[in-house]
Amino acid sequence: EPEVTQTPSHQVTQMGQEVILRCVPISNHLYFYWYRQILGQKVEFLVSFYNNEISEKSEIFDDQFSVERPDGSNFTLKIRSTKLEDSAMYFCASSEGQGAYQPQHFGDGTRLSIL
Amino acid sequence: AQTVTQSQPEMSVQEAETVTLSCTYDTSENNYYLFWYKQPPSRQMILVIRQEAYKQQNATENRFSVNFQKAAKSFSLKISDSQLGDTAMYFCASLSGETSGSRLTFGEGTQLTVNP
Repeated sequence: EPEVTQTPSHQVTQMGQEVILRCVPISNHLYFYWYRQILGQKVEFLVSFYNNEISEKSEIFDDQFSVERPDGSNFTLKIRSTKLEDSAMYFCASSEGQGAYQPQHFGDGTRLSIL
Repeated sequence: AQTVTQSQPEMSVQEAETVTLSCTYDTSENNYYLFWYKQPPSRQMILVIRQEAYKQQNATENRFSVNFQKAAKSFSLKISDSQLGDTAMYFCASLSGETSGSRLTFGEGTQLTVNP
């Protein structure tokens, strides 16, 4: 069964550095998402992406964050000038369409640790 | 805005027995959807079951069923004949059916352990 894959599984970065988290969505999916889960807290929506542009973003997704689909297969989340509070598990998801009838398929996540 | 609350951080059950995980939610919308996701130790979140708010009939998927109480804004998950492979973190989530986009709102999660 097709899967969403995320790399790396664990990323350790110095505070202030830029980090790029990578995701390969399921090949026929058109909608892409990033969520994050700070340790001990809820999974939170960051952003959704469709047709090469952001379709929705949360209040968490400020100018420090950006997303890109650089080559038609990868979907990346870039965090500029990382902060300690960016330490979290980041999940990528994809779906064929929008809404409940097109469920979101999640990757394994990338654990980001900011030192 | 939607909120989802899971008040049971951890639960355990004996293999072959039945367990119920609780979830409550709050929304001002009439059209919305509810989900249970499972995250086993392998980490990938898997959709277990979904419920449309406008349907009165409770959703079932094999050993998994829900008790959807719309007036009480409650959406519990019942796992029958629990198996060791059911050990996982379970997340309750909601999705707005009225606004554009597909933002899932998650609860805190319940860690379920199935004991042999």
